[in-house]
Amino acid sequence: GESVGLHLPTLSVQEGDNSIINCAYSNSASDYFIWYKQESGKGPQFIIDIRSNMDKRQGQRVTVLLNKTVKHLSLQIAATQPGDSAVYFCAENSGGSNYKLTFGKGTLLTVNP
Amino acid sequence: DGGITQSPKYLFRKEGQNVTLSCEQNLNHDAMYWYRQDPGQGLRLIYYSQIVNDFQKGDIAEGYSVSREKKESFPLTVTSAQKNPTAFYLCASTRGARGFDGYTFGSGTRLTVV
Repeated sequence: GESVGLHLPTLSVQEGDNSIINCAYSNSASDYFIWYKQESGKGPQFIIDIRSNMDKRQGQRVTVLLNKTVKHLSLQIAATQPGDSAVYFCAENSGGSNYKLTFGKGTLLTVNP
Repeated sequence: DGGITQSPKYLFRKEGQNVTLSCEQNLNHDAMYWYRQDPGQGLRLIYYSQIVNDFQKGDIAEGYSVSREKKESFPLTVTSAQKNPTAFYLCASTRGARGFDGYTFGSGTRLTVV
């Protein structure tokens, strides 16, 4: 069935380093992908999205890369800051009239000062 | 400001009680969702509604019920049939057919059985 998984459940980086969080997806029909950030005790917040007709999209300090050949998604955070410490989820949608997102289990990012 | 509001933030339930979690949005979104999150886990879909007066079961609907009488509101009732209700509950909404661009989430309700 559909699934979205993450390669690394935890990631610890030093402040100022770049972070890379990875995600594998299994549904080749998925055409829309989103990264969310969830701080402790709060709801997830949208970070960045990408559609399947793109392989890279950049935001402020964040970049999402999509490799459809190997069904892999990554989130890169530049110059990681303590405020970036959170759980990061990738989510996928298979399009059409289906507006449901399938979420991965998340990666906990810890930024050390 | 538009947004999605969940209440209460914390809720305590005694064994055998039904409790209702509120979710209200003023984003004019068509679709609304309820997810359950357990510690260290991802989000699991309980119920969703893509239009008023219609809703569908998600992956873990047993022991839960919902209603969608108004576009703005999608309350979730955790019934006594739900044997392990302690979890963090998240409500979300989206524009759906008018341009799907992911979900807006509420801030969550933490439910604890006492």
